[in-house]
Amino acid sequence: DVKVTQSSRYLVKRTGEKVFLECVQDMDHENMFWYRQDPGLGLRLIYFSYDVKMKEKGDIPEGYSVSREKKERFSLILESASTNQTSMYLCASSFYRPSLYFGPGTRLTVT
Amino acid sequence: KNEVEQSPQNLTAQEGEFITINCSYSVGISALHWLQQHPGGGIVSLFMLSSGKKKHGRLIATINIQEKHSSLHITASHPRDSAVYICAVGSGSARQLTFGSGTQLTVLP
Repeated sequence: DVKVTQSSRYLVKRTGEKVFLECVQDMDHENMFWYRQDPGLGLRLIYFSYDVKMKEKGDIPEGYSVSREKKERFSLILESASTNQTSMYLCASSFYRPSLYFGPGTRLTVT
Repeated sequence: KNEVEQSPQNLTAQEGEFITINCSYSVGISALHWLQQHPGGGIVSLFMLSSGKKKHGRLIATINIQEKHSSLHITASHPRDSAVYICAVGSGSARQLTFGSGTQLTVLP
């Protein structure tokens, strides 16, 4: 079974802090994704990566950056956290077909 | 960009009832996904379909490409089916998935 893990289930940070969210998958998937999920808005794509060191902006990249130094690990970085980044963050991975495997999610609160 | 509408937004049912959740989309797609999200956040893929009908246990998913509509049915519902059900449509790659806002299902014992 594919396993996608995220570094934290719950995180509380202060405004202005730099925040790192990490995601690891164990199935050698090329594609990895970061989404945020807010009530009434569904999942929105922040960034995705289709290979090591390769990344593309999703629909809402502002205020975020990503890093993919190894194939199995995809990090989401909030350079300077703000209260409007309080959300559920979900990582996902896939091989070369449109089926996604999701991590358990990180509920981030920025105060 | 595809628009995805799910209905209803919230659904409460009694154990044993037959449940239907609907998904409509605006632009032609190559695949439609039904996902389940339990309290706590983790999302599980239930179905991926591009035509016809798929069945897995008590869950049935159908799609009508001409009408741009899909339904997820749950037969003999159970409280453990309580979750958010999310429809997502794609035009070829996982990058291009558009998600609905989800249907919160609560099944009462």
